[in-house]
Amino acid sequence: AQTVTQSQPEMSVQEAETVTLSCTYDTSESDYYLFWYKQPPSRQMILVIRQEAYKQQNATENRFSVNFQKAAKSFSLKISDSQLGDAAMYFCAYIYNNDMRFGAGTRLTVKP
Amino acid sequence: SQTIHQWPATLVQPVGSPLSLECTVEGTSNPNLYWYRQAAGRGLQLLFYSVGIGQISSEVPQNLSASRPQDRQFILSSKKLLLSDSGFYLCAWSVLRGGETQYFGPGTRLLVL
Repeated sequence: AQTVTQSQPEMSVQEAETVTLSCTYDTSESDYYLFWYKQPPSRQMILVIRQEAYKQQNATENRFSVNFQKAAKSFSLKISDSQLGDAAMYFCAYIYNNDMRFGAGTRLTVKP
Repeated sequence: SQTIHQWPATLVQPVGSPLSLECTVEGTSNPNLYWYRQAAGRGLQLLFYSVGIGQISSEVPQNLSASRPQDRQFILSSKKLLLSDSGFYLCAWSVLRGGETQYFGPGTRLLVL
């Protein structure tokens, strides 16, 4: 079974600094997708970034970028120039076919 | 643009009572639909998904069931709620291909007393 592990329950970053959230996953498939979702206190799940496993190039979305290491099954999220609005729970997710698996989440605190 | 609705937003129910949570999607046709549960401080657990009307796949055996009576309507039900059913329930949709991005509704907070 596919599993997703986020080893950092909590992280903090100073406003305007950079932080990296870690994620590893386990799968025997070769063609899958990876996501980072953000869940603010409202609990709405918001897509941050998406990565196709067949693409070697790391995905980027403005201040958000990933470091995708397929052989190591690692998928970390880098947030640059952190803002107060980035404070939230961040979930790493893996999907193959219609089966999406989520990590336990990392709570990010942004200090002013 | 596509919109996903869930209701009610909050629900408090006694143990043993029935449950019906509704999810509807606007602005798209033939979506994949999903029900997730999130326990406090935890990640999401996939409960059910549907690729079409009347087609339901269950991921976790439990006292919950799902139905899809219309293309863009997905219902989560229970005949008798348990204390362990308390949680945050999220509905999501994606286009009809595996691996596509899932977009989530605002969720329903369920407290079973």
